[in-house]
Amino acid sequence: QKEVEQDPGPLSVPEGAIVSLNCTYSNSAFQYFMWYRQYSRKGPELLMYTYSSGNKEDGRFTAQVDKSSKYISLFIRDSQPSDSATYLCAMSANTGNQFYFGTGTSLTVIP
Amino acid sequence: NAGVTQTPKFQVLKTGQSMTLQCAQDMNHEYMSWYRQDPGMGLRLIHYSVGAGITDQGEVPNGYNVSRSTTEDFPLRLLSAAPSQTSVYFCASRKNRGSPLHFGNGTRLTVT
Repeated sequence: QKEVEQDPGPLSVPEGAIVSLNCTYSNSAFQYFMWYRQYSRKGPELLMYTYSSGNKEDGRFTAQVDKSSKYISLFIRDSQPSDSATYLCAMSANTGNQFYFGTGTSLTVIP
Repeated sequence: NAGVTQTPKFQVLKTGQSMTLQCAQDMNHEYMSWYRQDPGMGLRLIHYSVGAGITDQGEVPNGYNVSRSTTEDFPLRLLSAAPSQTSVYFCASRKNRGSPLHFGNGTRLTVT
């Protein structure tokens, strides 16, 4: 079983829609949770970073962490064509030096 | 703000050739790492370093060497390139434990 599971999509939505992206994980030691956005032929860009459980909001983006279910989500409100990219979830534990990534979900927002 | 800088952006090698992928960061980050990204496999850790003079292996270290002589630089060496090493390579750094990773824009490597 992979440490982190992410639905690869592809996901296609109309402009203005609410997008929900999700990851599940198996390691209860994970404490730090991240979402990255990756445009074609670019490096992953940090979008959201949360510690432990709870919600975090930044503009149109909301990250949720449910540690009891080992489930994290990223919501994008009022999606724009510029949001079209691959979204990667990532997580790490308080100890150790490794990050664990999902395989990414490809999102297309249609104007 | 340069952040994490990787060179070259593209490289084509023949099987058996060697090369070094360069990575430099100007954020004074202690931790640096190398990942490879392949379709359907996600990002896989090759090697990492928690400071100058300290390196360790990640998930897929075979065929790659690293060294860390300065805080700023963390080069990745391919000693004898193989077609299986065709991939996109990303260098990433972080400030300290608990901080998120910051990535460079990658090196696209093709081995024929």
